Amino acid sequence: EPEVTQTPSHQVTQMGQEVILRCVPISNHLYFYWYRQILGQKVEFLVSFYNNEISEKSEIFDDQFSVERPDGSNFTLKIRSTKLEDSAMYFCASSSGLSEAFFGQGTRLTVV
Amino acid sequence: KQEVTQIPAALSVPEGENLVLNCSFTDSAIYNLQWFRQDPGKGLTSLLLIQSSQREQTSGRLNASLDKSSGRSTLYIAASQPGDSATYLCAVISSGGGADGLTFGKGTHLIIQP
Repeated sequence: EPEVTQTPSHQVTQMGQEVILRCVPISNHLYFYWYRQILGQKVEFLVSFYNNEISEKSEIFDDQFSVERPDGSNFTLKIRSTKLEDSAMYFCASSSGLSEAFFGQGTRLTVV
Repeated sequence: KQEVTQIPAALSVPEGENLVLNCSFTDSAIYNLQWFRQDPGKGLTSLLLIQSSQREQTSGRLNASLDKSSGRSTLYIAASQPGDSATYLCAVISSGGGADGLTFGKGTHLIIQP
């Protein structure tokens, strides 16, 4: 069964460093998303990506964040100059449109 | 702004019981509603998707209903098993289109006692 895969599963980084979280969406999907879940809180939408550009973004997705689809399979989230409050589980998801969204297993980011 | 609320926040029942999890949303202009399961420290597993034009969807022992006009959905779990223990999340997409992200509730933490 097709699945969304994310790497790494866990990343520890020092405050102020840049991190790149990687995702391989389901191959025939057209929409790609990033979400985050701070420990004990709701899953929150960050950004959606369609046709090689950002479609929607939340107020959380500020200039510190960027997304890219560097090739035909990968979808990345870059966080510049990480802060302690960026510590969270980051989920990648994909869908074929207004249909079921499939999520990856997440990357746990710990900023120390 | 869409808000999703799930009640109860936590539920513990003996194995074999039928149970209902509730989800409400403030803006009825949704495109679809999706139920997920999340195991501790893990990703989200999609359980059921209900389009706004549908009233319910069934998958095995799970049945989800949608009353769009009243802003409510329920997830019915029949004959619960210890393996059903997890957090169940409800999420909606507003009618803006496929690019819109899901708005999630905080979830119901379910424990099925053997």
